[in-house]
Amino acid sequence: GAVVSQHPSRVICKSGTSVKIECRSLDFQATTMFWYRQFPKQSLMLMATSNEGSKATYEQGVEKDKFLINHASLTLSTLTVTSAHPEDSSFYICSAEDRELAEQYFGPGTRLTVT
Amino acid sequence: AQSVAQPEDQVNVAEGNPLTVKCTYSVSGNPYLFWYVQYPNRGLQFLLKYITGDNLVKGSYGFEAEFNKSQTSFHLKKPSALVSDSALYFCAVRDFTGGSYIPTFGRGTSLIVHP
Repeated sequence: GAVVSQHPSRVICKSGTSVKIECRSLDFQATTMFWYRQFPKQSLMLMATSNEGSKATYEQGVEKDKFLINHASLTLSTLTVTSAHPEDSSFYICSAEDRELAEQYFGPGTRLTVT
Repeated sequence: AQSVAQPEDQVNVAEGNPLTVKCTYSVSGNPYLFWYVQYPNRGLQFLLKYITGDNLVKGSYGFEAEFNKSQTSFHLKKPSALVSDSALYFCAVRDFTGGSYIPTFGRGTSLIVHP
C-alpha cells in the first residue's frame, strides 16, 4: 500500500512555542489530507480536512488560528500548533487520501508533549 | 449524518479461538466501510474495505468482514486469533453518494488475545 510519513515522530516543546508537523505522501499524490488528534485510549478526533491549494476546513471546536494547516503541494501538508500549551499535548495523526481507491493512508503519528 | 458504533470497548479471546469485533453504521447513501488496526503509538493500518460486490470481504493478516445491509453491520472476524492480533481496531464509514465524504470513525475496540 501507499506510504505516508510524518515528521517528527515525537517532540517536546515548552509552553508558548510553536511546533510544526509535516505529513508527506511518498508514492502518490494526495489532493486531500486529514489531520486527527487522538487522546489515550480514545478514538480519532478529526481536526481538519486539507485540500491542496485551498484553505483547510476545520471541524467545529477546532481553533484555526491555533492549529494552522497548509497543504501547499500534492504530497505535503503541515500542521503548526501555535503558542502551544500543555493541554495541546496529544498524539497527532495525518492521513492522505487516494480518492480513486477511496482509501486513506495514515502516517505513523506525532507525539507532542508541551511542558 | 453518518455514524459508526462499536459497541464493545474491549474484546477478550483466547489464542486459537475465533474472534469478532462488532461494528454497525448509519448513512444516508451507499456506505463505504473500512477496518483499520492501530498498534501502540502508531498510526492506523488499513485492514480491509467494502465498497460494492461480495458481502464477504477478505483483508490483511487473515481478517475478514461481512457486510450486512439489513442489519447495517460490518463485523470484523478472524477464524483463529493470534496474540499478535492484540491491538486497537477502528471501523469507519464514508458516504460518497448521499452525504459527506468525510470519514467517520467508531470509538475503537481494544482486542486482547490471551496466550
